[in-house]
Amino acid sequence: QSALTQPPSASGSPGQSVAISCTGTTSDVGGYNSVSWYQQYPGKAPKLIIYEVSKRPSGVPDRFSGSKSGNTASLTVSGLRAEDEANYYCCSYAGTNNWVFGGGTKLTVL
Amino acid sequence: EVQLVEFGGGLVQPGGSLRLSCAASGFTFSNYWMNWVRQAPGKGLEWVAHINQGGSEKYYVDSVKGRFTISRDNAENSLYLHMNSLRAEDTAVYYCAGSWGSHVFDPWGQGRIVTVSS
Repeated sequence: QSALTQPPSASGSPGQSVAISCTGTTSDVGGYNSVSWYQQYPGKAPKLIIYEVSKRPSGVPDRFSGSKSGNTASLTVSGLRAEDEANYYCCSYAGTNNWVFGGGTKLTVL
Repeated sequence: EVQLVEFGGGLVQPGGSLRLSCAASGFTFSNYWMNWVRQAPGKGLEWVAHINQGGSEKYYVDSVKGRFTISRDNAENSLYLHMNSLRAEDTAVYYCAGSWGSHVFDPWGQGRIVTVSS
């Protein structure tokens, strides 16, 4: 049950696009279309922003999109806004009723 | 309004026990799988435990197996986490989170701090 690998940090200027990667194995990310992404502001609870690799819950702006290729999933934030500055975590089902999160990526809007 | 509110937590000595509670409102609690997810200080999220709608199926991360017990009371719309033999590495903010399907964690509670220290 090793954590998924995310870059510790990412950054972009307002209006730009930034992609955050999430690398796992064939036992988790590569084996299931059950990757989700969470946005967390400091001191606050996480919030679901992407599920089933690329689906957005109601109310999440379409500036947030998800994709997957092989063992790596990605979250892309387009048209960066100041309020997107937060920590982002990926999560994948890992089989046999286990779930594994990534280490998190701090997104900075320059 | 969909809401999860945790209670309990606090400071406990190594080897001690503690119980967390989570009260649900604004949604049909009995239809949701439920989870506990924790976050150590300055660290990432870690899934801890998962329970099915009726409470008959329970799953745990390896590091807490045999020490933590997840349970629920659908009549009271409540989720619990009984934690025994606590260790320093169990120090974290503990969140309760629902699962409406598709292996997602949604909604989330506000979190409760558990500190294991002498």
